[in-house]
Amino acid sequence: AQSVTQPDIHITVSEGASLELRCNYSYGATPYLFWYVQSPGQGLQLLLKYFSGDTLVQGIKGFEAEFKRSQSSFNLRKPSVHWSDAAEYFCAVALSGNTGKLIFGQGTTLQVKP
Amino acid sequence: GAGVSQSPRYKVAKRGQDVALRCDPISGHVSLFWYQQALGQGPEFLTYFQNEAQLDKSGLPSDRFFAERPEGSVSTLKIQRTQQEDSAVYLCASSLSKTGTGDYGYTFGSGTRLTVV
Repeated sequence: AQSVTQPDIHITVSEGASLELRCNYSYGATPYLFWYVQSPGQGLQLLLKYFSGDTLVQGIKGFEAEFKRSQSSFNLRKPSVHWSDAAEYFCAVALSGNTGKLIFGQGTTLQVKP
Repeated sequence: GAGVSQSPRYKVAKRGQDVALRCDPISGHVSLFWYQQALGQGPEFLTYFQNEAQLDKSGLPSDRFFAERPEGSVSTLKIQRTQQEDSAVYLCASSLSKTGTGDYGYTFGSGTRLTVV
């Protein structure tokens, strides 16, 4: 069965430090890949997505992610974290040729220290 | 509307009670999805509509869950005889495209938090 794994449930970084959130997926072909952010009591906001082409994708709020087919990974990065980045981050995949339903990882909670 | 609107924002139900959760997608959006997000978990797919047709309901956990979108716009998720394990945030998402995996992507609502006591 297809699955998405976010190995880190909780990460704490200092403001201004770099950030990398890990995501691995299990699927036979290349799926569509997404990163979403969720603030408390809010819906999911799309940070970035990968469908094809350049494996390094840029998103909103200074985030980027790199698709590595050999590692089945789609890690999210940010060079310098701001206090407002504290939130829950979800990696998701959508299967090509399907209805487009998303399969989400368990999420990573990011805490930012001043 | 400007975004996906869900109501109510919060719902407390007594065990055994029926509930109805509403989703107003963005006007003109073709596809509509419902997800269930338990505390501390990622959202899990429940069901998918393309206009008024329910094309995938494989994620509905039991026959107590029922969803409809009769006119291809507003959707209602109904849960009969609620159980404690139904407590979760229910998220609705819509997309201009048939699948949401194109350039248009998905837009999520803020969700309805259901607590069954």
